[in-house]
Amino acid sequence: AQTVTQSQPEMSVQEAETVTLSCTYDTSESNYYLFWYKQPPSRQMILVIRQEAYKQQNATENRFSVNFQKAAKSFSLKISDSQLGDTAMYFCAFILHGSSNTGKLIFGQGTTLQVKP
Amino acid sequence: ETGVTQSPTHLIKTRGQQVTLRCSSQSGHNTVSWYQQALGQGPQFIFQYYREEENGRGNFPPRFSGLQFPNYSSELNVNALELDDSALYLCASSLVGSNEQFFGPGTRLTVL
Repeated sequence: AQTVTQSQPEMSVQEAETVTLSCTYDTSESNYYLFWYKQPPSRQMILVIRQEAYKQQNATENRFSVNFQKAAKSFSLKISDSQLGDTAMYFCAFILHGSSNTGKLIFGQGTTLQVKP
Repeated sequence: ETGVTQSPTHLIKTRGQQVTLRCSSQSGHNTVSWYQQALGQGPQFIFQYYREEENGRGNFPPRFSGLQFPNYSSELNVNALELDDSALYLCASSLVGSNEQFFGPGTRLTVL
């Protein structure tokens, strides 16, 4: 069975600073995707960044980047130049790729990030 | 491009009742997944529908059922509601074979 663990329930960062959110996962499969989703208060879930497991290069999207360590089954999110609008709950998620994909995204418990002015 | 929409936004039911939640997928998407998100927790996969059939299911009892229609919209039905069914129910649409799911705003269900 696949699991996703986020060990930081809450974090805070000063505006314009950098913060890293941690995520570990467990699977015996080799072909999968990893995601970070953002869920602002009372607003819908949006995709922040995704990483294909077969790619060694870490994904980046503007101020967001990941540190993907496949052997360690670690997938952290770095937010640079934090902005007030980054305040949200962040979820790490995992999905199997290919024929094993039944549409099941497996989410971690989430990390609440507060950006302080 | 129209995003994923869900109705109603909020719903209050009493224990033992039945509820139907609705979802319209993003334009062009043919697969719909449903998730239950308890307060302060990550979403839990309920099931996915493709070509009007259940394509995968999580650890939810049979009183959670669904439908998908020819226009790819979907319903989630929950029978015999229990207090623990109180949660935010999220719908997500995608293209078959794609790993990226696009979420709707959710329906907040409260069971009293």
